[in-house]
Amino acid sequence: DTAVSQTPKYLVTQMGNDKSIKCEQNLGHDTMYWYKQDSKKFLKIMFSYNNKELIINETVPNRFSPKSPDKAHLNLHINSLELGDSAVYFCASSQRQHGYTFGSGTRLTVV
Amino acid sequence: GENVEQHPSTLSVQEGDSAVIKCTYSDSASNYFPWYKQELGKRPQLIIDIRSNVGEKKDQRIAVTLNKTAKHFSLHITETQPEDSAVYFCAASKDFNKFYFGSGTKLNVKP
Repeated sequence: DTAVSQTPKYLVTQMGNDKSIKCEQNLGHDTMYWYKQDSKKFLKIMFSYNNKELIINETVPNRFSPKSPDKAHLNLHINSLELGDSAVYFCASSQRQHGYTFGSGTRLTVV
Repeated sequence: GENVEQHPSTLSVQEGDSAVIKCTYSDSASNYFPWYKQELGKRPQLIIDIRSNVGEKKDQRIAVTLNKTAKHFSLHITETQPEDSAVYFCAASKDFNKFYFGSGTKLNVKP
């Protein structure tokens, strides 16, 4: 069983569209995250949820909205997609005193 | 906030040689330092970590050292193999909350 799973793996869409990425973890972790990895491979945190509660909200355009229906799921909705949103988005989860477990990533390409 | 700097950005070594990647951090309150390996097109995976109450940790061919006074930590890979080729990320965290990642080191092990 995949510990942290993201869907879709690839997403190609036109500018201006709205899209969602889903993430689920079966590790029983309390905290989940969204990270963005740009073309230079830099990993930057976007959001973090602990037990469905938003605890980290970095300087991210408000076109990005996370939603956590329960502690095993953290989805990312993006409105009015722009070319600069093209990147790989990683979901991750963690439990206190341990490092992250990352999902396999979603490669978003905005054309 | 925390600032993590990582050097070098690329590193090329001959198979069997050692590789060293260095990171510095700015927040003296950071107390957890994981290292991640990301193979091409795959997710980052935790390979080793160190906590601030330890100066060195070793796991087979991989070791990490931490100098809290100087605020730097390093990854050492001995007897490198072609399968060690990947991008390596260091990170720093205070109390396992937000992880701040370095910019990554692309390691190429030449057979």
